[in-house]
Amino acid sequence: TQLLEQSPQFLSIQEGENLTVYCNSSSVFSSLQWYRQEPGEGPVLLVTVVTGGEVKKLKRLTFQFGDARKDSSLHITAAQPGDTGLYLCAGYTSGTYKYIFGTGTRLKVLA
Amino acid sequence: ETGVTQTPRHLVMGMTNKKSLKCEQHLGHNAMYWYKQSAKKPLELMFVYSLEERVENNSVPSRFSPECPNSSHLFLHLHTLQPEDSALYLCASSQGSFYNEQFFGPGTRLTVL
Repeated sequence: TQLLEQSPQFLSIQEGENLTVYCNSSSVFSSLQWYRQEPGEGPVLLVTVVTGGEVKKLKRLTFQFGDARKDSSLHITAAQPGDTGLYLCAGYTSGTYKYIFGTGTRLKVLA
Repeated sequence: ETGVTQTPRHLVMGMTNKKSLKCEQHLGHNAMYWYKQSAKKPLELMFVYSLEERVENNSVPSRFSPECPNSSHLFLHLHTLQPEDSALYLCASSQGSFYNEQFFGPGTRLTVL
């Protein structure tokens, strides 16, 4: 059974701090996506990575796909209260047509 | 209306009731999805419809019955649910092949008594 484990599960930090969220699996993925979900809303796609070793930046957010395409990380620089939310990774395997979500990281940024 | 809408936003039902969840997408997409989000498990893909045909059913119990009458509408019919079915049910849509960027609705919070 494919599983995407995210760590940490919960994170509470002060505004201005940096943080990294990890998404790990023993399976290889064709692509991996990161979403952010705020209370009362559905997840919103932040980025898609498809190439091993790929790095993408979205303002203060940096996403990296592992060389072996089994893991990914999300780094936030100088976190702001608006970054608060549930961060989800999701991986797609083209060979088996499987799409699974990670266990989630709940981030709270305090002003 | 824009994006993906879901109704109702909240639903409380008994185990013997029959109810339906509705999803509508205003994005011109041709694939729609139902997900279940519960507190103790990762977001679970339940059903995928592409061009109005069901193309994926992830071992979902038969008490959940999806219906996709056209590419803009998706229903989830519920009957004889169990308390463990209480969760947030999310609908999403995408264009083209599966798992392109998906746009999610706000979800229906379901409580089964």
